Parts: sequence; C-alpha cells; structure tokens
Amino acid sequence: DQQVKQNSPSLSVQEGRISILNCDYTNSMFDYFLWYKKYPAEGPTFLISISSIKDKNEDGRFTVFLNKSAKHLSLHIVPSQPGDSAVYFCAASGYTGNQFYFGTGTSLTVIP
Amino acid sequence: EAQVTQNPRYLITVTGKKLTVTCSQNMNHEYMSWYRQDPGLGLRQIYYSMNVEVTDKGDVPEGYKVSRKEKRNFPLILESPSPNQTSLYFCASTNRDSLGKLFFGSGTQLSVL
Repeated sequence: DQQVKQNSPSLSVQEGRISILNCDYTNSMFDYFLWYKKYPAEGPTFLISISSIKDKNEDGRFTVFLNKSAKHLSLHIVPSQPGDSAVYFCAASGYTGNQFYFGTGTSLTVIP
Repeated sequence: EAQVTQNPRYLITVTGKKLTVTCSQNMNHEYMSWYRQDPGLGLRQIYYSMNVEVTDKGDVPEGYKVSRKEKRNFPLILESPSPNQTSLYFCASTNRDSLGKLFFGSGTQLSVL
C-alpha cells in the first residue's frame, strides 16, 4: 500500500510562473520529508527537506510547506525556469531514518 | 568527486541466470540502500544497510540478496532473476548527520527475458 502519494503524474507551467507540486502521506509516524529531483538517465538528487516540527522551509526559489493535520506537503517553485523540468519525487521517513518511502513522482514541464 | 557508482548501467539477462549489480560510494557513508523504480509505483526500497555487516529488508526484498562486507560497497544480488524483476535500480547512500539526504547512483536498467 502506497504510504506516500503524488496524485498528479504531470504538470505544465509557463516560465516565470509558480509551480506547485503536491504530496500526501498516510503514516502519522513519518518524521521527516524530502523532495528529490530527477533528470532522465540520472539518479534522483536531493532538493529540499522539512522536519515534522516545522511547517515551512525555504531554499532560494524552492519552498516546502507541511500540513501535518492534513498529512499533506507541497513544493513551490518560484519563479519556474525551463531547467526545472524534471520528475519530482516526494519522500518520507520515520524518526529512525532507516526506511524511506517515495511517491510515484510528478513530471514537471516548464514551458519557455 | 563525491559519488555513488553503479555498474553496469544496462543489463539484459535471461530468467534464472544469477547476476550482481555493484554499488560503491566514496563518501565514507554508513548508510546504503537499494531501490527499484517502476512506472506508477515510484521508488521502492529493496534492502538497506546501516553499517558494515548490518543489513535489513525494505519494502520489496523478495528475490534479492545484499551484502555489506566493506563500508564503501553494497552489491545487489539476484540469485535467480525473473521477468518481474525487470526494472530500473538505484543505489543510494548517506550518513547519519545528513538526515536522510540520499546520494543516488545513476541507475542500472535491468531487463530479464
């Protein structure tokens, strides 16, 4: 059973606009959440993370929001750039940090 | 350069023929793990290792073996591959201070005929 879900397989956004990628999870024991970005023929690379004790974390153009009561997190990219076109995976882990659960990914296309 | 190296990048084999996918990291990371990526299923964890000689099952361990005899290496072994193990495989590593920021290899595309 998928514990981390990304319900939008794809998203298209105009360059300069905001991209919002969503992720839902079912396990209330998850303690730490991460976003990874993946280009074709490459492995995923870490993008940004958030601890369950926070509701927002920012890193340049990337902001992750966490709503624990709704078991929902989102990644905002502002402004979106063509180089942001990639597949984005949401991931979660418990306090032990031993196991990581990934969503199915959202393919973002930023149109110049 | 800090990296996780997987070999081979592509592998085509036949059912039942034992194979090993190697994974090596040069960052002195304690933690290493294997994932498979399948369409519509995302990345699923196969096995992980917290340190040398310590391995544990992930979500989908059936049909796979691993070993961690040295800190830098974490090979994935398919003793008798089957077509349902056709997938894209990723090795990843991190250390305890990195709070789960995994470093991934470039992937191994495996086809079992």
